[in-house]
Amino acid sequence: QKEVEQDPGPLSVPEGAIVSLNCTYSNSAFQYFMWYRQYSRKGPELLMYTYSSGNKEDGRFTAQVDKSSKYISLFIRDSQPSDSATYLCAPEEYGGYNKLIFGAGTRLAVHP
Amino acid sequence: ETGVTQSPTHLIKTRGQQVTLRCSSQSGHNTVSWYQQALGQGPQFIFQYYREEENGRGNFPPRFSGLQFPNYSSELNVNALELDDSALYLCASFRKGLAGAEQYFGPGTRLTVT
Repeated sequence: QKEVEQDPGPLSVPEGAIVSLNCTYSNSAFQYFMWYRQYSRKGPELLMYTYSSGNKEDGRFTAQVDKSSKYISLFIRDSQPSDSATYLCAPEEYGGYNKLIFGAGTRLAVHP
Repeated sequence: ETGVTQSPTHLIKTRGQQVTLRCSSQSGHNTVSWYQQALGQGPQFIFQYYREEENGRGNFPPRFSGLQFPNYSSELNVNALELDDSALYLCASFRKGLAGAEQYFGPGTRLTVT
């Protein structure tokens, strides 16, 4: 079993839809949970992150963590074609160094 | 765009050869991590460098090695290349503190081993 599981998609939605992207993880020691966006043939771009359980909102994006069920979510409101990319969840394993444990990524396509 | 740059953009090597990839950190950052991203997969942690020393390593063999220089730039060296080493190699820079550091990635170097 992988430490971080993420549905690879692809997920195809119409412009303006609300998108829900999800991950599950197995290590209860994770405290920080990052979300990255990766466009084709580019490096990952940090979108936002949360600490422990709870919600965090940044514009059209909301990140949510439920540590009791080891479930991570990213919601995108009013999705745009420019949101078409691969979304990677990445909890951090910290043991004196900052190791990100990435899911496989979910490919999202927002069509006009 | 982050201030992290990588070179070269892509290269092709033959099995058994050696390769060196380079990364320049974003201004103000003192730590570099390297990741390997195979096609269709998420990045996998190779190692991290802080104060010119490796201070954390993932599940990669010793033929993957690195350096960090006084200006915080970094190199990743891979010896005895194997076909499975074909991947996008990413470096991320950040300012080391405690947990929750915001890591900023460069555009990557795409390595093809034939």
